[in-house]
Amino acid sequence: SYELTQPPSVSVSPGQTARITCSGDALPKQYAYWYQQKPGQAPVLVIYKDSERPSGIPERFSGSSSGTTVTLTISGVQAEDEADYYCQSADSSGTVVFGGGTKLTVL
Amino acid sequence: QITLKESGPTLVKPTQTLTLTCTFSGFSLSTSGVGVGWIRQPPGKALEWLALIYWDDDKRYSPSLKSRLTITKDTSKNQVVLTMTNMDPVDTATYYCAHSAAAGTPYFDYWGQGTLVTVSS
Repeated sequence: SYELTQPPSVSVSPGQTARITCSGDALPKQYAYWYQQKPGQAPVLVIYKDSERPSGIPERFSGSSSGTTVTLTISGVQAEDEADYYCQSADSSGTVVFGGGTKLTVL
Repeated sequence: QITLKESGPTLVKPTQTLTLTCTFSGFSLSTSGVGVGWIRQPPGKALEWLALIYWDDDKRYSPSLKSRLTITKDTSKNQVVLTMTNMDPVDTATYYCAHSAAAGTPYFDYWGQGTLVTVSS
């Protein structure tokens, strides 16, 4: 079955840049999406179609794609950005898949 | 304004069938391209996609759970129902429904608050 692979954790200091990667064989052909989830809350879409930002999402959140890897970048990380981040895509048959999630810690 | 809300039992016994209802507003499931999906999250674990139903009644299921899942829609009531058979304690999780925005790669731009379902005798 199709899988998306994320690092379990990423740590950064406030003001630094955090980069969270997500790898999957179908990513060159399918868009990737990123969700932020804080404890006790539902996920929130922060990036769609690899690099688009929904309205209301701060500009410090950006996305990029290169081959089988997509990257969520958070520039000038703030304490409020501490959360779990999930990538999501789909295979050619429309089966949705989520990555295992990355816990972002702001030191 | 799009909103979704999950409802159903908070406790089910092993081997029972779980029925969850997603009641939504702010969009119509008869609009081309629109879908509603179900995603779950066991305590402390990752998100897991379960099923997705589209405006044209096309349905997609997680391959690993396909034999246990059924997703249906009632457009007139603005509801989507998910049933999961043969529940097990490992199915204990928060279950979310979410709006899927577009054709092509499906994704979820609006989520319900989630409902915690515990499987225990």
